[in-house]
Amino acid sequence: EVQLVESGGGLVQPGGSLRLSCAASGFTFSSYSMSWVRQAPGKGLECVSYISGSSNTIYYADSVKGRFTISRDNDKNSLYLQMNSLRVEDTAVYYCAKAASRAFDYWGQGALVTVSS
Amino acid sequence: QTVVTQEPSFSVSPGGTVTLTCGLSYGSVSTTHYPSWYQQTPGQAPRTLIYSTNTRSSGVPDRFSGSILGNKAALTITGAQADDESDYYCVVYMGSGTWVFGGGTKLTVL
Repeated sequence: EVQLVESGGGLVQPGGSLRLSCAASGFTFSSYSMSWVRQAPGKGLECVSYISGSSNTIYYADSVKGRFTISRDNDKNSLYLQMNSLRVEDTAVYYCAKAASRAFDYWGQGALVTVSS
Repeated sequence: QTVVTQEPSFSVSPGGTVTLTCGLSYGSVSTTHYPSWYQQTPGQAPRTLIYSTNTRSSGVPDRFSGSILGNKAALTITGAQADDESDYYCVVYMGSGTWVFGGGTKLTVL
């Protein structure tokens, strides 16, 4: 059974940093691309970052480019999102999602990040 | 800036059929965009319904179907049930690991 479990969310002040983790199991992690998708309160979904299985291809949405860094450790079956210079508008639930067939086939339960003073 | 358009809201009667659509601010949605559809209820993670235009995800009942209608992707729910009341998101693939989500359609079953 595929499982994606996010951790690392919490309350942080504007300008602060936070690192999200996603522990994956139930599939060959290194063979699949992964993404972080966020959802601000009461809003829709936004794909903020993508990383290929070998980390050769990485994408960032313009809204986070230069502030967020995606990475993965295939030996630990883990995906990460380092978030720096956080803004109030980064407040959202962040989902880890497995990519397959140019879509997202499995989702984690989400991690809430709140940026507030 | 690519914008994916969806109806903000829709309603359907129990047992009825509804078709939600997904368009692009410019041009047409085609199979080369690999449109996918996701269902989300409040407080829950999204659930994958359809990928690659018309392939149902594992465990999704066959009353959910995907297609291309004209210049848009479409999600059709046949025989709507009360627990289909959810938000539905369309996503189009733009290449190189980039996806654009639509704003979502809030479906009411009443």
